[in-house]
Amino acid sequence: TQLLEQSPQFLSIQEGENLTVYCNSSSVFSSLQWYRQEPGEGPVLLVTVVTGGEVKKLKRLTFQFGDARKDSSLHITAAQPGDTGLYLCAGDQTSGTYKYIFGTGTRLKVLA
Amino acid sequence: SQTIHQWPATLVQPVGSPLSLECTVEGTSNPNLYWYRQAAGRGLQLLFYSVGIGQISSEVPQNLSASRPQDRQFILSSKKLLLSDSGFYLCAWSGGGRGPPEQYFGPGTRLTVT
Repeated sequence: TQLLEQSPQFLSIQEGENLTVYCNSSSVFSSLQWYRQEPGEGPVLLVTVVTGGEVKKLKRLTFQFGDARKDSSLHITAAQPGDTGLYLCAGDQTSGTYKYIFGTGTRLKVLA
Repeated sequence: SQTIHQWPATLVQPVGSPLSLECTVEGTSNPNLYWYRQAAGRGLQLLFYSVGIGQISSEVPQNLSASRPQDRQFILSSKKLLLSDSGFYLCAWSGGGRGPPEQYFGPGTRLTVT
């Protein structure tokens, strides 16, 4: 069974600090997505990465897919209270199967 | 634009009662549809997915079932709920075609089995 482990599990930081969230697996994924989820709502897609070594930026968020497509990271620069939420990574197991494996989640709280 | 609806938003049911959660998608045709369950503040567990009408794949053995009577309708059911069925249920869709199948989620249903 493929697993996606996220670290850290919880993170509480002050506004303006930088942080990195990691998503690791022993398996290779065709693509990997990052989501942010607010309490009581469905996850919202942030980005999809498909190529080993790929880096994508979304304002203050930088996403990187590992060279071997087994891991990914999310870096937030100058975090703001609006970044608070549950961050989830999700891997596409095998192209064409339409099935996703979700990570264990990282709960981020940014204090003003 | 595409929209995904789920209802009800919250539900409190006694153990042993039946369950029916509904999900509908607007603005797209022949979507892939998914049901997930999420424990409090944790990742999502894939329960069922469907690539077409009447085509359902089950990922986790349990007392839940899913059906897809129409192209953009996905239903999650149970004949007798268990306490362990409590959780946050999310429906999602993804489109076909080229590229990675990115998922878009509904607002979720909070189910409490008492």
